[in-house]
Amino acid sequence: KAGVTQTPRYLIKTRGQQVTLSCSPISGHRSVSWYQQTPGQGLQFLFEYFSETQRNKGNFPGRFSGRQFSNSRSEMNVSTLELGDSALYLCASSLASGTGVSYGYTFGSGTRLTVV
Amino acid sequence: QKEVEQNSGPLSVPEGAIASLNCTYSDRGSQSFFWYRQYSGKSPELIMFIYSNGDKEDGRFTAQLNKASQYVSLLIRDSQPSDSATYLCAVGENTNAGKSTFGDGTTLTVKP
Repeated sequence: KAGVTQTPRYLIKTRGQQVTLSCSPISGHRSVSWYQQTPGQGLQFLFEYFSETQRNKGNFPGRFSGRQFSNSRSEMNVSTLELGDSALYLCASSLASGTGVSYGYTFGSGTRLTVV
Repeated sequence: QKEVEQNSGPLSVPEGAIASLNCTYSDRGSQSFFWYRQYSGKSPELIMFIYSNGDKEDGRFTAQLNKASQYVSLLIRDSQPSDSATYLCAVGENTNAGKSTFGDGTTLTVKP
């Protein structure tokens, strides 16, 4: 079956611009999570969407936002880009249900964002 | 104190040896525990998950969980050079099934 698809793979943006990243989860997975990965901070949780609703949010400024569509595809948006936003952004799809036990993630290949 | 801590690396073992990777977590109510492998330049890949105290074996991999000690480990038997990667421990939140907290990872090198 198809895996998690993230587009684009690479982006170069200028400070102050905004960017939108896209993620298509595995068919049947209703939960989509977004992580930022940097060498210094590791994998940091941004947010999670389940059935078009944001269920969880990490400790990132409001410049980071996301949404999920009825087909479970998700987008994340970063406005007013800063140099420190340069990172690998990973989308993770999961069978996670309401609460309690989770089932682990299948990650996409990521979007490498460079802010100059 | 970090929520998920892994033993600092890098860890180097000879081919055929057992590699032992350790992780502790702070949320006593956590219910789901995962090990991911990340090759350089690639995204993380789920290799093991464990929910109950004790051992869980899958091929050359064994995950061990001790909730009383808030400790989870991964053993890799008969290590191969292809096992050289960064191993990430992740803990699923107690009440939020869609969120996992990751450790910083331990880099393993298996020398032929």
